[in-house]
Amino acid sequence: AQSVSQHNHHVILSEAASLELGCNYSYGGTVNLFWYVQYPGQHLQLLLKYFSGDPLVKGIKGFEAEFIKSKFSFNLRKPSVQWSDTAEYFCAVTPGEGGATNKLIFGTGTLLAVQP
Amino acid sequence: KAGVTQTPRYLIKTRGQQVTLSCSPISGHRSVSWYQQTPGQGLQFLFEYFSETQRNKGNFPGRFSGRQFSNSRSEMNVSTLELGDSALYLCASSIRPVVTGVRDGYTFGSGTRLTVV
Repeated sequence: AQSVSQHNHHVILSEAASLELGCNYSYGGTVNLFWYVQYPGQHLQLLLKYFSGDPLVKGIKGFEAEFIKSKFSFNLRKPSVQWSDTAEYFCAVTPGEGGATNKLIFGTGTLLAVQP
Repeated sequence: KAGVTQTPRYLIKTRGQQVTLSCSPISGHRSVSWYQQTPGQGLQFLFEYFSETQRNKGNFPGRFSGRQFSNSRSEMNVSTLELGDSALYLCASSIRPVVTGVRDGYTFGSGTRLTVV
């Protein structure tokens, strides 16, 4: 079965520190990849997505992610975090072949706390 | 434009009751999917609808059901509620089921927080 692993469950950083959150998936075929963010008390918002093409994807708020097909990874990065980045981050994948689907498989999430 | 609207925002139900949750997608979006979010299990896929047809179903018991109407609005129903059904239920919409290479995305609603007591 397809699965998504986020190895960091809780991350605590100081402002201006660099961030990298790991995401690995288990699906062997073509995939669409996403990072979502959930700020406290708010709904899930799309940070960035990869469908095809350049494996380095830039998203909103200075976030970027790199798709490494050989490693089945889609790690999220930000060079300098801010207190306002405190949130829960979810990696998600959907199969990109075998018929269109809306079925997102989510990782368990990483809770990021940025200390001022 | 209006986002994905889920009603009600909060619900408290008693074990054994049933509940119906509603999701109105973004105008023009015809694909709707539902997810359950709990602290222990995270975000789990429930169902996916497109053009009033269920395309995919997650690994949930038959007590969980859904449907989609001709105006793309969707409802999900949970019968014989159990304490473990307490969760945030999220709805997401997109223009159509996503196809590789098409730069569609999913937009999530704020969810319905269901508490079963």
